[in-house]
Amino acid sequence: AQSVAQPEDQVNVAEGNPLTVKCTYSVSGNPYLFWYVQYPNRGLQFLLKYITGDNLVKGSYGFEAEFNKSQTSFHLKKPSALVSDSALYFCAVRDILSNDYKLSFGAGTTVTVRA
Amino acid sequence: DAGVTQSPTHLIKTRGQHVTLRCSPISGHKSVSWYQQVLGQGPQFIFQYYEKEERGRGNFPDRFSARQFPNYSSELNVNALLLGDSALYLCASSLEGGFGVGELFFGEGSRLTVL
Repeated sequence: AQSVAQPEDQVNVAEGNPLTVKCTYSVSGNPYLFWYVQYPNRGLQFLLKYITGDNLVKGSYGFEAEFNKSQTSFHLKKPSALVSDSALYFCAVRDILSNDYKLSFGAGTTVTVRA
Repeated sequence: DAGVTQSPTHLIKTRGQHVTLRCSPISGHKSVSWYQQVLGQGPQFIFQYYEKEERGRGNFPDRFSARQFPNYSSELNVNALLLGDSALYLCASSLEGGFGVGELFFGEGSRLTVL
């Protein structure tokens, strides 16, 4: 079984401040981890992924995420948030041992960046 | 290059009716997945197809079915619609099948409303 928890429904930050969106996961084996962003009435856009290797992953639009195996976490971060980062963010996990392409998503975190 | 395209973008049906949703993957992608996103929740995995074969099925009733065509496009069919089927249906394509590590590329979705 695989699952993701995003403990915060909403995150509010001021423009220029650091942004962190939290994610913890559960898988039977080792994880593939992903972050997606969704703007209103749109599909999901890929931000970054962790497959293996360096625990710090850099992605699109200045976002990065840190994989922590001992804490089973994959938090999304951005050093300086922009108003345009306001959107719905989803963390997703896939078990490396699975032979299908099922991603399990969290419930999402709404990020609001105020000017 | 065209991304994942879905049709129709919006549709309204009544309970008991049938619906067919269509998806064209990114050129060269051989895997198509379907997800259901109910308002306020993360996407839920419905099906994955790779090279025209079903590779994964989520926890959805038999009223949901899908298929993939030789050109890798796909259809999702839902019979005997219920109010609870109202959702955004997302199609995603990927280059690889089950053992790949690539990310999913999502379409804009088909918004289904069941009255």
